[in-house]
Amino acid sequence: KQEVTQIPAALSVPEGENLVLNCSFTDSAIYNLQWFRQDPGKGLTSLLLIQSSQREQTSGRLNASLDKSSGRSTLYIAASQPGDSATYLCAVIAAGANNLFFGTGTRLTVIP
Amino acid sequence: NAGVTQTPKFQVLKTGQSMTLQCAQDMNHNSMYWYRQDPGMGLRLIYYSASEGTTDKGEVPNGYNVSRLNKREFSLRLESAAPSQTSVYFCASSERRSREQYFGPGTRLTVT
Repeated sequence: KQEVTQIPAALSVPEGENLVLNCSFTDSAIYNLQWFRQDPGKGLTSLLLIQSSQREQTSGRLNASLDKSSGRSTLYIAASQPGDSATYLCAVIAAGANNLFFGTGTRLTVIP
Repeated sequence: NAGVTQTPKFQVLKTGQSMTLQCAQDMNHNSMYWYRQDPGMGLRLIYYSASEGTTDKGEVPNGYNVSRLNKREFSLRLESAAPSQTSVYFCASSERRSREQYFGPGTRLTVT
């Protein structure tokens, strides 16, 4: 079964800092990897989707990379802002599976 | 374009009661999903539907039934609620299995 791990579980940074969130998965046979943001008491907002054939995707201040062979992805957030404070979830669709397998998330706090 | 909508937002049930969670999407997606989110465990798939009239069990299907009423709607039914079903339930949809998933706002269910 695919296992997805996110480290650290929580992270606090001062405003303006660049930061990296980490995600690792046990089975490299994946269709794609998706990064989400979840605000307290809210649903999930899709941030970036990386197909298995891609190495990275960018959206504004966000950049996600994928290294399938090592089972790792990173989400880079540039020039962090207090509004970036949320829980960030990583999820993969394993080849042959129907669903996303989720990590438990990294709770980010950006301090003004 | 409302995306994925879910009703109700909150619900409290007594053990043994039944209820149906409703989900609808207006993106003309083929695939729809029901997940549950529990603290420390990440989101887990309950049921999946690849298209109208088809459903498949996910990782945690016991105690639940689903109906893919048409392309837009996918409902989740708890026939006899148990305290272990206290959770946040999310519905999601995607164009097809390997594409980006979009999530609804969630239903917070408490079973006493």
